[in-house]
Amino acid sequence: GQQLNQSPQSMFIQEGEDVSMNCTSSSIFNTWLWYKQDPGEGPVLLIALYKAGELTSNGRLTAQFGITRKDSFLNISASIPSDVGIYFCAGQGAPGYSSASKIIFGSGTRLSIRP
Amino acid sequence: NAGVTQTPKFQVLKTGQSMTLQCAQDMNHNSMYWYRQDPGMGLRLIYYSASEGTTDKGEVPNGYNVSRLNKREFSLRLESAAPSQTSVYFCASSPAPGQGSDTQYFGPGTRLTVL
Repeated sequence: GQQLNQSPQSMFIQEGEDVSMNCTSSSIFNTWLWYKQDPGEGPVLLIALYKAGELTSNGRLTAQFGITRKDSFLNISASIPSDVGIYFCAGQGAPGYSSASKIIFGSGTRLSIRP
Repeated sequence: NAGVTQTPKFQVLKTGQSMTLQCAQDMNHNSMYWYRQDPGMGLRLIYYSASEGTTDKGEVPNGYNVSRLNKREFSLRLESAAPSQTSVYFCASSPAPGQGSDTQYFGPGTRLTVL
């Protein structure tokens, strides 16, 4: 089945630093989604991407849908303490899946503040 | 609007006990989902319901049953709980096809421990 590899698994940031993380797939995706999960909460959608090459921003967050349709990237500029949490990528497969069918989640990138 | 609500928030069971996790959404969404989240892993789909009256297995359905009671409610039942089912369970919902159906909205989660 389809799998997503998300990296890095964890990272420590200093306030003000830029952050990059990525997700790669073993097969083509039609939709890429990026979620953030705060402790004790459910994931919240940050950015949705629908087209190869698409670059979309949401405040200090920017995400890109890779040209090959097998990867996506999320960048956070000038990080602040409230950026701490777990970031998940998710993808929805190529035609053949039903419209309400399976979105595959990566294993997450845990962002922490460097002491 | 409350969005997606889940009850209970926490639950401890003994091996072999049964229980039902409740989920409700007030966004008039067609599709609903149940995921489990284990430490260091992403979300894995247990079951989903594309529309009222239909349910389908996800990636890890064994040991679970679901009921789409009406458009608002989607419950997850553990008939005979096992320690391997210790996890955080998230319910999610998404709009109809063509209305951003790949954008899922998550509840706050139910933390289940099976002793």
